Amino acid sequence: QKEVEQNSGPLSVPEGAIASLNCTYSDRGSQSFFWYRQYSGKSPELIMSIYSNGDKEDGRFTAQLNKASQYVSLLIRDSQPSDSATYLCAVLPWGNDMRFGAGTRLTVKP
Amino acid sequence: NAGVTQTPKFRILKIGQSMTLQCAQDMNHNYMYWYRQDPGMGLKLIYYSVGAGITDKGEVPNGYNVSRSTTEDFPLRLELAAPSQTSVYFCASGSGQEDTGELFFGEGSRLTVL
Repeated sequence: QKEVEQNSGPLSVPEGAIASLNCTYSDRGSQSFFWYRQYSGKSPELIMSIYSNGDKEDGRFTAQLNKASQYVSLLIRDSQPSDSATYLCAVLPWGNDMRFGAGTRLTVKP
Repeated sequence: NAGVTQTPKFRILKIGQSMTLQCAQDMNHNYMYWYRQDPGMGLKLIYYSVGAGITDKGEVPNGYNVSRSTTEDFPLRLELAAPSQTSVYFCASGSGQEDTGELFFGEGSRLTVL
């Protein structure tokens, strides 16, 4: 069973704070990891991808990957109300069947 | 600039009816996926395809069928609709390459079975 686990939240942070989102996965053969953002009633959109251990930064977003611990995280710095959405962790193991976690709902309060 | 196109956007079915959700992509992607998303939940993989003529089951394939006769199209067939199939269905496509595994999603099809 290829599981992707996330805390469902909701996670609430004040504007300007750092939001920290976490994800664990069960398939050690997984090679590619993604964070998608989904606004209510909309389709998911990719915000970060990460393929090797360590940190990857893109603007206010930082993805962190630790394959030994089977752990992926997303940090959002200087959180804005427009960041309020559900964040989905996705994992691509061998076999090409992309699996998603249940998502973490983030609310950024002005 | 179409990307992934799904039709219909909304549909109401009666129990026992059948229908096909259409999905087309114009990005020449080999990989295509069908997911369902129940309220407040994540995406569950129904079926996927890594190329024309090749399909495989995902996590929740029961009650559904797919075909992939062309690279562009990946229709999802619901046979004998049941209330448990009430959900939002998303079609997605991707290149399938290791370093560019991004999926591009359609706008979704909201299905209600009464």
